[in-house]
Amino acid sequence: DGGITQSPKYLFRKEGQNVTLSCEQNLNHDAMYWYRQDPGQGLRLIYYSQIVNDFQKGDIAEGYSVSREKKESFPLTVTSAQKNPTAFYLCASSDRLDLTDTQYFGPGTRLTVL
Amino acid sequence: GEDVEQSLFLSVREGDSSVINCTYTDSSSTYLYWYKQEPGAGLQLLTYIFSNMDMKQDQRLTVLLNKKDKHLSLRIADTQTGDSAIYFCAENLPHGSGNTGKLIFGQGTTLQVKP
Repeated sequence: DGGITQSPKYLFRKEGQNVTLSCEQNLNHDAMYWYRQDPGQGLRLIYYSQIVNDFQKGDIAEGYSVSREKKESFPLTVTSAQKNPTAFYLCASSDRLDLTDTQYFGPGTRLTVL
Repeated sequence: GEDVEQSLFLSVREGDSSVINCTYTDSSSTYLYWYKQEPGAGLQLLTYIFSNMDMKQDQRLTVLLNKKDKHLSLRIADTQTGDSAIYFCAENLPHGSGNTGKLIFGQGTTLQVKP
């Protein structure tokens, strides 16, 4: 049963703490993405990775960090430098050989900073 | 820069047709997409259309593309309460200069279906 999993579904953290969101896929996709979703603003790209051990900043990378040590995993760390981290975070992946560029999404993690 | 615009809200009665509209700016996009997001969930791909096509139909869904006006629409026939969700329009960026695989999303249109 192929797909993308994100954990946990809900995450609560105190202000000033770093937190890491998990994203795993078993679709054998090379490319993976992290988006942030806020009400009425759609999806904004945080970081993306087209291949293992390589990643690029998206439009709103400040206060976030990522790693891509394995093809199936792309964890996102929300650091204390992120000024407004409360949001819904979505991970996606795509097959670089798929000319349609279709991205497939995980179920999301809702992060609330208290 | 690249931009995708959608109206934020649409309300219809069950059984009516829904039409969700989207405009985009990058004329070199090769694919445009419609995704559906149910409350508290991730995005689910509904359909995509190649930029050389004018129309694509898939059961109750009809996608119309006017490339001259950079306008994309999604028509849902016989709208049901289960269609209540947020619908996102997206376009892909031209390959090259590190853009491979990147999509630009609109703000999403919330579709409310009244019984």
